[in-house]
Amino acid sequence: TAGITQAPTSQILAAGRSMTLRCTQDMRHNAMYWYRQDLGLGLRLIHYSNTAGTTGKGEVPDGYSVSRANTDDFPLTLASAVPSQTSVYFCASSEEGSNSPLHFGNGTRLTVT
Amino acid sequence: GQNIDQPTEMTATEGAIVQINCTYQTSGFNGLFWYQQHAGEAPTFLSYNVLDGLEEKGRFSSFLSRSKGYSYLLLKELQMKDSASYLCAVKDSNYQLIWGAGTKLIIKP
Repeated sequence: TAGITQAPTSQILAAGRSMTLRCTQDMRHNAMYWYRQDLGLGLRLIHYSNTAGTTGKGEVPDGYSVSRANTDDFPLTLASAVPSQTSVYFCASSEEGSNSPLHFGNGTRLTVT
Repeated sequence: GQNIDQPTEMTATEGAIVQINCTYQTSGFNGLFWYQQHAGEAPTFLSYNVLDGLEEKGRFSSFLSRSKGYSYLLLKELQMKDSASYLCAVKDSNYQLIWGAGTKLIIKP
């Protein structure tokens, strides 16, 4: 089935440890995004990539890094996790065009203890 | 600052009609999106409005008034499976999406 695959589905991580959240899409979309979703708040953009080889900072980039080596993959890395990074993380992609909707992966639920 | 306001929670009865409102204050406007998100799942796209007026898609319709900074999502013939959160998002002048916190819709039999 075409779409976006995220891994892992959930993870418990000790504070100070590093982790990479994986995201792969097979729709050949140029634009990809990482969001975090916290109770009572709207989705917040962490990082984005408009095309392979380029990345940009979103609203809440501190503590996170991304890379975009190819069109399909857009991993998100937490170098040294802190409890405030406990959240549900969604990867998304979209076609070009202002009217193009986002296609979301199923999310990764991360708990930092 | 930029802001999207939606009611936190609404309750409606199966078979009825419900209107979920969204008001926005953003730097510029390049379209408004509605998404549906079932608990524990990813958001899925419902509708897009960029011009004033009503867009109808089956049981769901979305309305936009750019002069009022206002949109609503209208759900007709409510079904139990419509119980979900509904997210409103606006693309600003930089084509960045600004998201509301979502409206949790509870459908009762």
